[in-house]
Amino acid sequence: ETGVTQTPRHLVMGMTNKKSLKCEQHLGHNAMYWYKQSAKKPLELMFVYNFKEQTENNSVPSRFSPECPNSSHLFLHLHTLQPEDSALYLCASSSRDRAQYFGPGTRLLVL
Amino acid sequence: EDKVVQSPLSLVVHEGDTVTLNCSYEVTNFRSLLWYKQEKKAPTFLFMLTSSGIEKKSGRLSSILDKKELFSILNITATQTGDSAIYLCAGNNAGGTSYGKLTFGQGTILTVHP
Repeated sequence: ETGVTQTPRHLVMGMTNKKSLKCEQHLGHNAMYWYKQSAKKPLELMFVYNFKEQTENNSVPSRFSPECPNSSHLFLHLHTLQPEDSALYLCASSSRDRAQYFGPGTRLLVL
Repeated sequence: EDKVVQSPLSLVVHEGDTVTLNCSYEVTNFRSLLWYKQEKKAPTFLFMLTSSGIEKKSGRLSSILDKKELFSILNITATQTGDSAIYLCAGNNAGGTSYGKLTFGQGTILTVHP
């Protein structure tokens, strides 16, 4: 339960706000991921970081800006979001050739 | 584009029943197939399958992979109300790296009535 933590757990923001989501993993993993889960849609991969280097950007709009200062921390900076960006944002981490472990998520509502 | 399809989309059973959840995949550079259980929070890891025909078991849950036919099944025997959840299947595209990326299916919503 405490292997991957995310803050805040809930966030309400206006379309002109700037906010950041934080993820921290305590599992000694080398890769970290951001996913978006919208209602009635499959989990969508957004970004992948391996050893702090971004290796995947799944055509995510520039209003989402990831940052990975080290292998244990991952941020998602949000600015000028749209109401359709409201979703559950999940962070995950993994080691080489191993399963990804997820954090509890941040439920985001954009008004 | 990678694709994972799960069936059925929803399933309602009574306690004690046995259920089989299906997952078919089309994933380039396929490395592994993963199953997760999601209740009102984050998906929790169940199984990772890499080899065809080898069953993985954990208590009442088991899963098997068929790499020739590109599918996997998740079996739950003697279901309990605590098994009610969304079950997610994901294919791992190695993509030339050691970590790859997951493509998820839409999930199967399982409801177990007492």
